[in-house]
Amino acid sequence: DAKTTQPTSMDCAEGRAANLPCNHSTISGNEYVYWYRQIHSQGPQYIIHGLKNNETNEMASLIITEDRKSSTLILPHATLRDTAVYYCIVRVANNAGKSTFGDGTTLTVKP
Amino acid sequence: DSGVTQTPKHLITATGQRVTLRCSPRSGDLSVYWYQQSLDQGLQFLIQYYNGEERAKGNILERFSAQQFPDLHSELNLSSLELGDSALYFCASSVEGRGIYGYTFGSGTRLTVV
Repeated sequence: DAKTTQPTSMDCAEGRAANLPCNHSTISGNEYVYWYRQIHSQGPQYIIHGLKNNETNEMASLIITEDRKSSTLILPHATLRDTAVYYCIVRVANNAGKSTFGDGTTLTVKP
Repeated sequence: DSGVTQTPKHLITATGQRVTLRCSPRSGDLSVYWYQQSLDQGLQFLIQYYNGEERAKGNILERFSAQQFPDLHSELNLSSLELGDSALYFCASSVEGRGIYGYTFGSGTRLTVV
């Protein structure tokens, strides 16, 4: 699976959009981009995934660049409860179990 | 409540002992994944089962073993425990074996080896 690079930490003001970047320059054509988050020591929570098109669900939007070498997770109106570690993962569809979570980005939403 | 149930929530045991962690997947999910999260290692994939069969193996020590039963619940057995095995152990499940729609994680078992 491709390696990902994320900033160690980011801050965001409550009510503003949080844009979390992820670089995956070695991504191959059959690899998906997944985002999870982990609030404190709770179990990670699936947020969204995509292959090459932009995706949106009730939690967030995922923007993938045309060359697929990077992506951005957007939380449109961040709240204090969105403070968490956000993990960007790249993997092939058939390699479910071997997702590498990496260190992620610690997002702190401030009032 | 994610629908994935892990028991016990906390476990304190001595070095050299053996423990069993239990996971009940979300209703309808056939695949179970085990992860270990320690302070210095992050989230590490251990093993995956799909409908009772081992599907993928990660960085699982030989002292550790797992199985998935006909009712789809899974157990992770940790033996000859060492201080370094202290960690959060998460179970996740997915409806099919590829996890293409993402996994649902349980709240974890915190294991402390003293």
